[in-house]
Amino acid sequence: QLQLQESGPGLVKPSETLSLTCTVSGGSISSSSYYWGWIRQPPGKGLEWIGSIYYSGSTYYNPSLKSRVTISVDTSKNQFSLKLSSVTAADTAVYYCARLVDTAMVYDYWGQGTLVTVSS
Amino acid sequence: QSALTQPASVSGSPGQSITISCTGTSSDVGGYNYVSWYQQHPGKAPKLMIYEVSNRPSGVSNRFSGSKSGNTASLTISGLQAEDEADYYCSSYTSSSLWVFGGGTKLTVL
Repeated sequence: QLQLQESGPGLVKPSETLSLTCTVSGGSISSSSYYWGWIRQPPGKGLEWIGSIYYSGSTYYNPSLKSRVTISVDTSKNQFSLKLSSVTAADTAVYYCARLVDTAMVYDYWGQGTLVTVSS
Repeated sequence: QSALTQPASVSGSPGQSITISCTGTSSDVGGYNYVSWYQQHPGKAPKLMIYEVSNRPSGVSNRFSGSKSGNTASLTISGLQAEDEADYYCSSYTSSSLWVFGGGTKLTVL
């Protein structure tokens, strides 16, 4: 059974960089059939797509966040990561990692999510 | 890239049917058959209910169905049950390999 687990600091100071890692178990991140993505949800609000990455390193970002976002992949560790720079309180959210099925263009497996709070 | 438009809330009584709409543009919902629907209970991760407009993943009840007409997709839940009370989000693939979500709809089972 595929599992995704987010990890990283739960508290980040304003203007600093938020860094999260998603560890994939029960399957290979190097499979040609999948992309891997990040989605976030501010408290009490809806879902926002952040971006996705292919195992080869090709990336796609939400235009509204593109200038601050970097998504990378480490196939040796079966992990992919998110960095969001110059954070503000508006970046406070539950951050989810998820698997994207290439043929159906759908995020089918999600991590449990991790709350990141931006505060001094 | 604007969020897809969903009603903020819908409600229905047990046993009834409800439909949630999801309106986009010809660059997302109307342009591709890659519309998905997710169910989210409080404090939980979203759960995939429908993909490619009308396909159900294994294990999802056949009370859930999806359709699309033009730039609007719809999720219908028949035979409402108390456990269906949750937030529902639509999502669509868009041009340039991007994704967009709807604002979410809170379903209340009366």
